[in-house]
Amino acid sequence: QKEVEQDPGPLSVPEGAIVSLNCTYSNSAFQYFMWYRQYSRKGPELLMYTYSSGNKEDGRFTAQVDKSSKYISLFIRDSQPSDSATYLCAMKGSQGNLIFGKGTKLSVKP
Amino acid sequence: EAQVTQNPRYLITVTGKKLTVTCSQNMNHEYMSWYRQDPGLGLRQIYYSMNVEVTDKGDVPEGYKVSRKEKRNFPLILESPSPNQTSLYFCASSLAVWDTQYFGPGTRLTVL
Repeated sequence: QKEVEQDPGPLSVPEGAIVSLNCTYSNSAFQYFMWYRQYSRKGPELLMYTYSSGNKEDGRFTAQVDKSSKYISLFIRDSQPSDSATYLCAMKGSQGNLIFGKGTKLSVKP
Repeated sequence: EAQVTQNPRYLITVTGKKLTVTCSQNMNHEYMSWYRQDPGLGLRQIYYSMNVEVTDKGDVPEGYKVSRKEKRNFPLILESPSPNQTSLYFCASSLAVWDTQYFGPGTRLTVL
């Protein structure tokens, strides 16, 4: 089993929809959880950063971590065409190494 | 402007010809890292450095070398590139190992 699993999609939604992106992981030592957004031909940029279990909200984005289920989610409310990108979950191991999911490609149609 | 820069942005080379991809950050970050991104495989960490003169292997270090002689620079060296190292490479940095990472714009490398 891979350390981090993420459905690659692609995921296509209409403008205004609520988007749910998810990752599962197997290593219970992970404590730091991140979501990155990557536009085509660009480097990843950090969207959300959470430590341990719980929710964190930032504007239209909500990150959720459930350590008991080893499951993290990113919700995007009122999705916009400008949200079209690949979303990568990432987790930090105890040694400082960063493990990424393969990314989910999202397309928001006007 | 705070940023991570990489050079070159695009490179086409031949098997066995040594090359170096430079990475520089102007944020006084201690932690720096190299990744490669391949279709279907996602982002994988090659090497990382927690501070000057401290480097560690990531998930896919074979065929790569790094050095960290000064805080701002973290070059990636391919002593004898092979076609399976054709990929998109990203450098990243953060203030400390537990902090959020900032990525460079990427270097697209093709090895013929």
